[in-house]
Amino acid sequence: EDQVTQSPEALRLQEGESSSLNCSYTVSGLRGLFWYRQDPGKGPEFLFTLYSAGEEKEKERLKATLTKKESFLHITAPKPEDSATYLCAADGSSNTGKLIFGQGTTLQVKP
Amino acid sequence: DAMVIQNPRYQVTQFGKPVTLSCSQTLNHNVMYWYQQKSSQAPKLLFHYYDKDFNNEADTPDNFQSRRPNTSFCFLDIRSPGLGDAAMYLCATSRPGQGFGQPQHFGDGTRLSIL
Repeated sequence: EDQVTQSPEALRLQEGESSSLNCSYTVSGLRGLFWYRQDPGKGPEFLFTLYSAGEEKEKERLKATLTKKESFLHITAPKPEDSATYLCAADGSSNTGKLIFGQGTTLQVKP
Repeated sequence: DAMVIQNPRYQVTQFGKPVTLSCSQTLNHNVMYWYQQKSSQAPKLLFHYYDKDFNNEADTPDNFQSRRPNTSFCFLDIRSPGLGDAAMYLCATSRPGQGFGQPQHFGDGTRLSIL
C-alpha cells in the first residue's frame, strides 16, 4: 500500500537554528513529490515539486531534496514567520492526480 | 491572479440540517477535489471530479455528495450533518498530465461547525 510518513510530528527551533524535516515514502510509480506549507485556518500553499532522485529545489530559506525513499525539507536560519505546518504529498501511478499526504510536521520558530 | 475560492469561509449549521459548500476556480483545471481536514490531521480525500466524471473514495460516507455544474464550480453537499462532520473542508484543483504529476492548488477552506 502506498504510504507517506513525516517526521518529526513537531519541531521547535530558535530563530537562526537550521534543521531538516523528513518525508519517507513508499509509492509505486512516483509521478511527483510535493511540499506544502499550511498556516492555521488556511489551505495548504504549494511550495515545491520534485520528480526524480537527486533533484533539489530552493526558495528563500527552504530547500527540498529527493532520494529514492525520502525527501527532506531543509530550513536554513529560520525566522518566526516560517512557523507553520509543512505537508509532504506523493502522486503515485494514478493519472487522476490524487495525492497521498503525510501527517505533517508542525514547526515553531521562536525569536 | 488565478485562484481557488471557497465560500463561505465559516459555516454554522444545525445537527441534521443540510448544508452546501461551494468552490470556484479561475485556473481552468480539469480536476477538482474535496478534502475533509480535522485538527492536526492530514487532509482526507472525499471525492474528485475528473472533468465531468465523479469519483468517490471508498470510505466517504453516503451523507456527502458533490455536484460540478461546469468547469469552474464544484459544490459539496452534506445531507444530514452529524457532530463528527465538524471540520475544515478544502477544495483543490489540478491538471494532471499523462507523464509527470502536477501540484494541486488549494482554496482557503470552509470551517464547518455543527450545533
